[in-house]
Amino acid sequence: NAGVTQTPKFQVLKTGQSMTLQCAQDMNHEYMSWYRQDPGMGLRLIHYSVGAGITDQGEVPNGYNVSRSTTEDFPLRLLSAAPSQTSVYFCASKSRESSYNSPLHFGNGTRLTVT
Amino acid sequence: AQSVTQLDSHVSVSEGTPVLLRCNYSSSYSPSLFWYVQHPNKGLQLLLKYTSAATLVKGINGFEAEFKKSETSFHLTKPSAHMSDAAEYFCVVFSFQKLVFGTGTRLLVSP
Repeated sequence: NAGVTQTPKFQVLKTGQSMTLQCAQDMNHEYMSWYRQDPGMGLRLIHYSVGAGITDQGEVPNGYNVSRSTTEDFPLRLLSAAPSQTSVYFCASKSRESSYNSPLHFGNGTRLTVT
Repeated sequence: AQSVTQLDSHVSVSEGTPVLLRCNYSSSYSPSLFWYVQHPNKGLQLLLKYTSAATLVKGINGFEAEFKKSETSFHLTKPSAHMSDAAEYFCVVFSFQKLVFGTGTRLLVSP
């Protein structure tokens, strides 16, 4: 199993450009989520999904869109990139069975720089 | 809302000495707590989890954590540090379908 796969690993954008960060998992997990990691701030939840067709906002959703058309994929879209979105982005998934204690499986991250 | 506080941003130990990474939580009811580890340029990996079964939880790579309700703590320990333990560690609480992360503790291990 590949687990959680994120692409690309690195990306540089200019202010105002748009792009999509890809996330795919092959574990048939219902729950998928996007986090951003910034120094001294831990991981903050951007958006999450509890199943295909269902998404919800996390702690820092502004400037980001998501959709969940399939169980496997959960892309994150930056509509108009800003320097404040420079960060490392992680996608994570988990099974909903006993959802309160099932662990998250993380991808290896996408390092995004906005100039 | 539930939250976690990691009391140290950096902890330095020598190889072979004990490790203590501190975490305090706030919760209005019995929480689900986790410790994750992140090695450089990698995603996070689950070390261990507490879900109200046993207060002393054993994880991977010799780590363990003790849930102390009276102190609202969930500190992570290891008897003897190894060079490969150098990483960032996150204390996490599960709250309303979301995982809330602490700000992380970077563990430095010197020879």
